[in-house]
Amino acid sequence: NAGVTQTPKFQVLKTGQSMTLQCAQDMNHNSMYWYRQDPGMGLRLIYYSASEGTTDKGEVPNGYNVSRLNKREFSLRLESAAPSQTSVYFCASSASSGGGFFGPGTRLTVL
Amino acid sequence: GESVGLHLPTLSVQEGDNSIINCAYSNSASDYFIWYKQESGKGPQFIIDIRSNMDKRQGQRVTVLLNKTVKHLSLQIAATQPGDSAVYFCAGGNNFNKFYFGSGTKLNVKP
Repeated sequence: NAGVTQTPKFQVLKTGQSMTLQCAQDMNHNSMYWYRQDPGMGLRLIYYSASEGTTDKGEVPNGYNVSRLNKREFSLRLESAAPSQTSVYFCASSASSGGGFFGPGTRLTVL
Repeated sequence: GESVGLHLPTLSVQEGDNSIINCAYSNSASDYFIWYKQESGKGPQFIIDIRSNMDKRQGQRVTVLLNKTVKHLSLQIAATQPGDSAVYFCAGGNNFNKFYFGSGTKLNVKP
């Protein structure tokens, strides 16, 4: 039981490049989430998916898109990366009424 | 706006002592709270949760206390060990997709 896995662990992009962050969970959770964590700040929700087939914006969705590929997988895409998107990105999943379990994170630097 | 914050940015304790980390929240409608532990370079790890119909909940070496009157919760760690050194933050809300996260308290355990 791996929990929540994320790929890649590290990524460096140039401004304007695109990339997709991958996330998968094996806990049969309905809900999945993408957060970013910046120094000195709490986690901020980018997008979430309450169930397979649905996605909704969180607190900071601008510049991102998501895809809930199936119940296990939820990806985050940066279409045109900007330096302001330099951050650590965490994926999480939860049962319908429970709290979230987080993945190990992706450390993204945009030059 | 809503917030979940912590009283102290850093807490230093002696190995073997008990640790108490505090958290205040602003939204009296919040009914679910989680404490997370985050070690350097890792994702947040779920420690313990509590719902608003409870005042206290115990886990292995950890206890969470919830005081709804003053909108305050605390995490108590018994017999603190070097492996407990990490950033601890609280999160709360009604649904996990609407959770607010504190920025964290760094716990330093001195041998």
